[in-house]
Amino acid sequence: KNQVEQSPQSLIILEGKNCTLQCNYTVSPFSNLRWYKQDTGRGPVSLTIMTFSENTKSNGRYTATLDADTKQSSLHITASQLSDSASYICVVSTREINDYKLSFGAGTTVTVRA
Amino acid sequence: DTAVSQTPKYLVTQMGNDKSIKCEQNLGHDTMYWYKQDSKKFLKIMFSYNNKELIINETVPNRFSPKSPDKAHLNLHINSLELGDSAVYFCASSQDVGTRPYEQYFGPGTRLTVT
Repeated sequence: KNQVEQSPQSLIILEGKNCTLQCNYTVSPFSNLRWYKQDTGRGPVSLTIMTFSENTKSNGRYTATLDADTKQSSLHITASQLSDSASYICVVSTREINDYKLSFGAGTTVTVRA
Repeated sequence: DTAVSQTPKYLVTQMGNDKSIKCEQNLGHDTMYWYKQDSKKFLKIMFSYNNKELIINETVPNRFSPKSPDKAHLNLHINSLELGDSAVYFCASSQDVGTRPYEQYFGPGTRLTVT
């Protein structure tokens, strides 16, 4: 079972609407959580990075939240645009002495329609 | 200037061949990575090098051998290619690996097709 679960797997929204993507994780010990946007045919681009002490971070119309107690994160997209159509990937990092791991979610594919 | 570049962008080859993918970053970063993204878009880390030393080595076949001649380059050599190796391979770099969350910058990807 993957240690980072994302939902929904895919969603379709109309341009201008808002949407929220979920990421639940069981990875431990927690170091940080990242959200990436990956356009078709391109490499992922970082949207936000949050550490244990941060519970919200924004990047333009993207706002990520983190609840380290419940091990949940969300990515909210406000006033969606056609260019928001992409895959959104949640990544959780752990860091122990001599051990550094990244755990990836399977991604949520967002399609924005006019 | 491209921050993280990979060559080639597309690679089509036959089973059993040996091939290499090259990666270069001009960001002055100390850490570089190789990722594999399968047909279901699931991204998996394969290797990571920090200052030319291997720090992450996930369970990948030993047919895959990364080589870091210097901090700016991390090449991936694959021996005896198999059909299951078909995927998109991404190179990435970050300033460092540590308790601070350093941002990773990804290359454009290399689509490998094994026939």
